[in-house]
Amino acid sequence: NAGVTQTPKFQVLKTGQSMTLQCAQDMNHNSMYWYRQDPGMGLRLIYYSASEGTTDKGEVPNGYNVSRLNKREFSLRLESAAPSQTSVYFCASSGWADSNQPQHFGDGTRLSIL
Amino acid sequence: GQSLEQPSEVTAVEGAIVQINCTYQTSGFYGLSWYQQHDGGAPTFLSYNALDGLEETGRFSSFLSRSDSYGYLLLQELQMKDSASYFCAVQKKAGTALIFGKGTTLSVSS
Repeated sequence: NAGVTQTPKFQVLKTGQSMTLQCAQDMNHNSMYWYRQDPGMGLRLIYYSASEGTTDKGEVPNGYNVSRLNKREFSLRLESAAPSQTSVYFCASSGWADSNQPQHFGDGTRLSIL
Repeated sequence: GQSLEQPSEVTAVEGAIVQINCTYQTSGFYGLSWYQQHDGGAPTFLSYNALDGLEETGRFSSFLSRSDSYGYLLLQELQMKDSASYFCAVQKKAGTALIFGKGTTLSVSS
């Protein structure tokens, strides 16, 4: 089982470039999430989609947009990348947005903005 | 505001027992979860508490006291492979996303 698949795994961008991070899950989950992880900061929620057709802002949404393309796919877009967006990005999914539903994470995208 | 506090680092030796505490201050509480992350890889779910008390899953147990806004993860019979980062996470209400703590790095030595 693939679980949660993120592409690309690594990316280097120049300031001002745009980029879409892709995420797909094959577990028929309803809820999907995007997090960023910086050293010493833990996981911070960027956006989430509790169910297909809905998206909500998390703790750090500025500079990002998301699209829940269908039940399987949830993409994260950086319209004009900034060095402050250098981070590791994790996508996750869960059956529903309840904490008794474990979140399953992808392997992450390491993104560097120069 | 909202905050989750957990120690940044904990060290222990193989075979020992270690407790990682998590205190939270959030505007609402629905459940407390724990996740493990090895070397910056994909975090994995360990346990979940919605009600007061202890939940046991093999060598790992998790405890919650809602009145104290406090929980802990207890790891027994530590092994080298338990060296990882451990995150507590709070869900404030059903249907919303988790809020993660900054994580505790556990180092297990022989």
